[in-house]
Amino acid sequence: AQSVTQLGSHVSVSEGALVLLRCNYSSSVPPYLFWYVQYPNQGLQLLLKYTSAATLVKGINGFEAEFKKSETSFHLTKPSAHMSDAAEYFCAVSNQAGTALIFGKGTTLSVSS
Amino acid sequence: DAGVTQSPTHLIKTRGQQVTLRCSPKSGHDTVSWYQQALGQGPQFIFQYYEEEERQRGNFPDRFSGHQFPNYSSELNVNALWLGDSALYLCASSLGSTGGPGKTQYFGPGTRLLVL
Repeated sequence: AQSVTQLGSHVSVSEGALVLLRCNYSSSVPPYLFWYVQYPNQGLQLLLKYTSAATLVKGINGFEAEFKKSETSFHLTKPSAHMSDAAEYFCAVSNQAGTALIFGKGTTLSVSS
Repeated sequence: DAGVTQSPTHLIKTRGQQVTLRCSPKSGHDTVSWYQQALGQGPQFIFQYYEEEERQRGNFPDRFSGHQFPNYSSELNVNALWLGDSALYLCASSLGSTGGPGKTQYFGPGTRLLVL
């Protein structure tokens, strides 16, 4: 069965600093991995996804993630944080059938000026 | 291009009651999935509907049921509500016939249910 673990329930950075949100996965088959963002009182918006085409995936709003099989990781990064990046971030893995996403518990990103 | 829409936005019920939540998928999508997001948690998969049938179900009791209509919209019904059903219920749509496990699910804004 697939699963993801997000390390750190809360990450705080200063505006302009590097953002690093950690996600490790467990999967017996090649995984399909996703990062979603959730702003307060809103649904989830897709940031990026990994589908085995390239290990470095670029997403929206300047975010990117690198798939590392040896470390079973798919960490999300952004070189320079902006106040508008403050939100909840979820890492997810698709089940093998492609019918369900299995989410981590989420990481709250706070950005201070 | 209309995204995924859900109604109502908020709902308050009492224990033992029944509730129906509604979802319209993104234009061109034929598959609807439902998730429950408890406070401070990630979304949990309830079930997925495709071609008006339940294609897969997560670890939820039979009190949770659904329906998909010919126009691809969907309903989630929860019977015998209890306090633990209080959550944000998210609907997601996708294109069922293509993409396999890498297909993207597009989420609606959710319905926040409070059970008193």
